Amino acid sequence: EAQVTQNPRYLITVTGKKLTVTCSQNMNHEYMSWYRQDPGLGLRQIYYSMNVEVTDKGDVPEGYKVSRKEKRNFPLILESPSPNQTSLYFCATRGQGVRRDTQYFGPGTRLTVL
Amino acid sequence: GNSVTQMEGPVTLSEEAFLTINCTYTATGYPSLFWYVQYPGEGLQLLLKATKADDKGSNKGFEATYRKETTSFHLEKGSVQVSDSAVYFCALPYNQGGKLIFGQGTELSVKP
Repeated sequence: EAQVTQNPRYLITVTGKKLTVTCSQNMNHEYMSWYRQDPGLGLRQIYYSMNVEVTDKGDVPEGYKVSRKEKRNFPLILESPSPNQTSLYFCATRGQGVRRDTQYFGPGTRLTVL
Repeated sequence: GNSVTQMEGPVTLSEEAFLTINCTYTATGYPSLFWYVQYPGEGLQLLLKATKADDKGSNKGFEATYRKETTSFHLEKGSVQVSDSAVYFCALPYNQGGKLIFGQGTELSVKP
């Protein structure tokens, strides 16, 4: 089954404690990205990656890092989380060929930073 | 870049009522347009899309027509069900790079 998986699904942490949210896809898609969803603001892109070792900032990259060492994985790293990073996070891939304009989302990770 | 404006919610309807959620856009050229749906506790799923002007996307009884004259892509369903309760997002590509621009989302609640 084609899917995007994220872990953990829920996380409560404290300010300053480094954390990583993993994202993995089994569709061999080149393009992957991270979004955060906040009430009244919709979804905003954090970082994206066009392919292995190619990453770039989205709209709200401050406080986040990413890496793309393998095509299937695209972890989101919060080196020193702060309460304003409390949000719902989604990893997404973009299809290829005839599905190039379609994005596929993971189930989401709800992060609370105390 | 492109942008999208979506009708605010929440929208509460009775089962079998008619649904319209408005979406208008500004864009360079004629990009594909999308409706995504987010069921409670889940990620976003593609509901339907239209790739060119006058195209009608449809899925699960939902429809939306790509209207370049009014720069709109309104979502409609003739008879909603309780299981349609979700948040609906209108979206389009920001540019050629792959990022999607989403509306703020419209929460739909359908009562029996």
